[in-house]
Amino acid sequence: DSGVTQTPKHLITATGQRVTLRCSPRSGDLSVYWYQQSLDQGLQFLIQYYNGEERAKGNILERFSAQQFPDLHSELNLSSLELGDSALYFCASSGDSGNYYEQYFGPGTRLTVT
Amino acid sequence: AQSVTQLGSHVSVSEGALVLLRCNYSSSVPPYLFWYVQYPNQGLQLLLKYTTGATLVKGINGFEAEFKKSETSFHLTKPSAHMSDAAEYFCAVTSPGGFKTIFGAGTRLFVKA
Repeated sequence: DSGVTQTPKHLITATGQRVTLRCSPRSGDLSVYWYQQSLDQGLQFLIQYYNGEERAKGNILERFSAQQFPDLHSELNLSSLELGDSALYFCASSGDSGNYYEQYFGPGTRLTVT
Repeated sequence: AQSVTQLGSHVSVSEGALVLLRCNYSSSVPPYLFWYVQYPNQGLQLLLKYTTGATLVKGINGFEAEFKKSETSFHLTKPSAHMSDAAEYFCAVTSPGGFKTIFGAGTRLFVKA
């Protein structure tokens, strides 16, 4: 158990809809990362937050947005969903520089868009 | 810019044989390097990491990796494969003070009985 929790585990929704994925980092970790994993694209970095502030952006679509709240949990919002958004979405967390940015991954949310 | 290349999307070995998974990186500054493993239907977990110091690093489950700056490589090895090692393995690179970790495309390891 990595200590990172993600809800829900599975999500099935229709095209055009909007969903919110939630992540709680390990206790004390300030950084949260979001990744998308699909068969054709592999593991893609989406976005990173550090202590409530956006720190780095990867291949995140404009239809997607994220935030990190004062209690350090994070939410990834996906809107106007398309079939191609079906994927596993992982959240990871890491602490300060003392652990050299190693990341601890949650179990993922499997999103199916029909 | 940093990048990671994992040679071979699939590697198949027999149980008891040597495991060698290749990773080459590109980085303009001394990198921090990681290997992660992903078992089916699970998230990634850290196998081992190189930051500074000894270039041969040991990780969990008998895996080790050697940082070779001259070859810009960080290959993962295990002397004797076990059936439970069947999984997908990801090499990753982060620059000190950097904000992004770049993951390789992954190598799926198959272990034959």
